[in-house]
Amino acid sequence: AAGVIQSPRHLIKEKRETATLKCYPIPRHDTVYWYQQGPGQDPQFLISFYEKMQSDKGSIPDRFSAQQFSDYHSELNMSSLELGDSALYFCASTSEGARNTGELFFGEGSRLTVL
Amino acid sequence: AQSVAQPEDQVNVAEGNPLTVKCTYSVSGNPYLFWYVQYPNRGLQFLLKYITGDNLVKGSYGFEAEFNKSQTSFHLKKPSALVSDSALYFCAVRDGRGSARQLTFGSGTQLTVLP
Repeated sequence: AAGVIQSPRHLIKEKRETATLKCYPIPRHDTVYWYQQGPGQDPQFLISFYEKMQSDKGSIPDRFSAQQFSDYHSELNMSSLELGDSALYFCASTSEGARNTGELFFGEGSRLTVL
Repeated sequence: AQSVAQPEDQVNVAEGNPLTVKCTYSVSGNPYLFWYVQYPNRGLQFLLKYITGDNLVKGSYGFEAEFNKSQTSFHLKKPSALVSDSALYFCAVRDGRGSARQLTFGSGTQLTVLP
């Protein structure tokens, strides 16, 4: 079965650079979530999109932005990177429509390292 | 606001013995409760969920969890632990009201099954 696809899996950047992470949800899923998991931490909710509109916002820094495109894939853009942005970034998808089963399906994550 | 508490950072159990990983939650509306497992440098894998219905839910790999509304708990259990069950376990909650509600995770419990 198709899963959530995230790219790149690994990314190394230097401070003050920019990075873009991509997420391709499971087909027919209309909702995408972004989470940030620091070392030894639980995943922290950043932002979500439902039907290409921002639906909820968590602890996403102002330096970060995200959007969901017409094909439902999403991109997380991170600028002016800081050392503390080094983390595993997860994307998850679900269907909030009639097929809603409640659980979120997570990708394998993109590991960002800021040097 | 919604929150999850996992009071134990670490649980050790001998192979073949029963295991319990504790979780309590707080949410305004009806709780949707989940358990996810994470292996090192991997994504979050869905184990089981409670949405409605029977308080005892069964999930993947022989795991089960019991929803207790009065105690606001959703403890994860397995009758006989395997060494391969060793991993990081996250309890999560989302508010069942509305749509596109994000998951809030607990801090995680590292389960170690000793041979």
